[in-house]
Amino acid sequence: DAGITQSPRHKVTETGTPVTLRCHQTENHRYMYWYRQDPGHGLRLIHYSYGVKDTDKGEVSDGYSVSRSKTEDFLLTLESATSSQTSVYFCAIGAAGANTGELFFGEGSRLTVL
Amino acid sequence: ELKVEQNPLFLSMQEGKNYTIYCNYSTTSDRLYWYRQDPGKSLESLFVLLSNGAVKQEGRLMASLDTKARLSTLHITAAVHDLSATYFCAFPRSGTYKYIFGTGTRLKVLA
Repeated sequence: DAGITQSPRHKVTETGTPVTLRCHQTENHRYMYWYRQDPGHGLRLIHYSYGVKDTDKGEVSDGYSVSRSKTEDFLLTLESATSSQTSVYFCAIGAAGANTGELFFGEGSRLTVL
Repeated sequence: ELKVEQNPLFLSMQEGKNYTIYCNYSTTSDRLYWYRQDPGKSLESLFVLLSNGAVKQEGRLMASLDTKARLSTLHITAAVHDLSATYFCAFPRSGTYKYIFGTGTRLKVLA
């Protein structure tokens, strides 16, 4: 199994508070992703990173920011959480170049914003 | 607009039956991926289809890719209960490593 760890796995917070989710990998993969999963929407890309300090927006990036200061860590921050950000968040990693390009997913972080 | 449409969204089928799940995508891509998700769990890679006409098989599941039609299929042969899960297709946005996922097909195989 790919070495991907998400933390926290579960979090309940209140509207307006900041929240940071962490994704840690031990595979030295170049690409890292944050997706959210909601019923009826499948997985939607929030942000992704193609290297240290290199990030780009996904489909649903509003209200989220990310940082990647080390290859192994990709942080997702909700500056001021809203109830619409209640979701399950998945981190994924992928290798670049001639690799098959498949993604490997973490176990998910369930966030509830009250 | 970049879209990936899966159908059906829900599928309830009897054990032993065959069925096909369809994945249509709205832009050119030379590769497509299928993932499986069990309830409350993460996603795991099922198939990687890297060219037009690619066909992959694993047990009772077979996936194919037609890049000209922008269509991939996931065929289930003689379904068993263990195949009950949600299946997602995904493809990379052209020229990027941004992967777009379909909404998923929730499969329930009844004994």
